[in-house]
Amino acid sequence: LAKTTQPISMDSYEGQEVNITCSHNNIATNDYITWYQQFPSQGPRFIIQGYKTKVTNEVASLFIPADRKSSTLSLPRVSLSDTAVYYCLVGAYSSASKIIFGSGTRLSIRP
Amino acid sequence: DVKVTQSSRYLVKRTGEKVFLECVQDMDHENMFWYRQDPGLGLRLIYFSYDVKMKEKGDIPEGYSVSREKKERFSLILESASTNQTSMYLCASSLRGTTSHEQYFGPGTRLTVT
Repeated sequence: LAKTTQPISMDSYEGQEVNITCSHNNIATNDYITWYQQFPSQGPRFIIQGYKTKVTNEVASLFIPADRKSSTLSLPRVSLSDTAVYYCLVGAYSSASKIIFGSGTRLSIRP
Repeated sequence: DVKVTQSSRYLVKRTGEKVFLECVQDMDHENMFWYRQDPGLGLRLIYFSYDVKMKEKGDIPEGYSVSREKKERFSLILESASTNQTSMYLCASSLRGTTSHEQYFGPGTRLTVT
């Protein structure tokens, strides 16, 4: 199973770029890497997904090295509203045994 | 907009009671999931269903069962609630058979077992 490891917490300031790394040493060939954001009292919300190299959308970028044993979520120019818990998920949804969430990184943004 | 709804936001039950948590999605998704979320442990998968009447055990199925009689509805059942099942329960759904693994989550049910 591709167990994931993330930092428990991170702090940053408004306007900075924030990078959150997830380690997944045992990632399988069919596994995708997905990141979610969760605010208090809400369910997680999809941010971005990738398989290899770099993916970018309107809110974030995801960097995945060639060996795919880690991934980095990059949030450009964060604001106070980016304060949340960020989860890395590695899995291939053909089987429940392959759906593994990390324990999450609590990101705090200060003015 | 995809909508995943859960029957209750807050629920208080007594030890030994049978508890039903209901989840409904309106986007014709094949996959549905039940997770529990506890401080410091993140989200742990209880059960996964990839079609009507089809299910797979996740990481922590003990003490739980599920039912999926209709595509849009996925129920989590605690046969005999215990205090260690006090938790936040999250339901999610997603499409099957595509390269997108985006799951849509409901708002969660905070269950307290006393």
